[in-house]
Amino acid sequence: EVQLVESGGGLVQPGRPLRLSCAASGFKFDDYAMHWVRQGPGKGLEWVSGISWNSANINYADSVRGRFTISRDNAKNSLYLQVNSLRPEDTALYYCAKSSGGRGYFLKDFDYWGQGTLVTVSS
Amino acid sequence: QSALTQPASVSGSPGQSITISCTGTSSDVANYDLVSWYQQHPGKAPKLMIYEATKRPSGVSGRFSGSRSGNTASLTISGLQAEDEADYYCSSYAHISTVVFGGGTSLTVL
Repeated sequence: EVQLVESGGGLVQPGRPLRLSCAASGFKFDDYAMHWVRQGPGKGLEWVSGISWNSANINYADSVRGRFTISRDNAKNSLYLQVNSLRPEDTALYYCAKSSGGRGYFLKDFDYWGQGTLVTVSS
Repeated sequence: QSALTQPASVSGSPGQSITISCTGTSSDVANYDLVSWYQQHPGKAPKLMIYEATKRPSGVSGRFSGSRSGNTASLTISGLQAEDEADYYCSSYAHISTVVFGGGTSLTVL
């Protein structure tokens, strides 16, 4: 059974950093691209960032480029998101999502999602 | 990276069919068949319902179907059931390896 478990969220002051983690199990982690998608309170889904199976291909939404850094450790079956210079508008539930399709695909569709970790940016 | 356009809400009675539209541009929906649809119940993570515009993952009811024409994709739910009441989001691959989501549609089963 595929499981994605996010952690690392919390209440943080504007401008402070945070590191989100996603522990994956139930599938061959290093065969798939992984992504972060966020959802603000009462709002829709917003793609944040993605990373290919071998970390060779990385991309970010314009809204977070230069502030967020995605990475992965295939030996630990883990995905990370370093979030810096946080703003109140970054307040959201951050989901870890698995891309389908295997190594040949960076962005296809998200066939499994975690339950999310909540990041609240407030002074 | 502008969001795809979806109606804010749709409704239907049990047994009826409804269609949710998702309008994009030549930079996303019109140019790629990588359109997906997700169902999200309150407090839950999204669930993939349709991928590559028309395909259904195993385990998803055959009452859900997808289509795409030009810059508009659609999700149709036939034989509406109470359990279908949820938010629905479309998404599309967009140029330069990004994904854009729709604003979401709240489905009410009357």
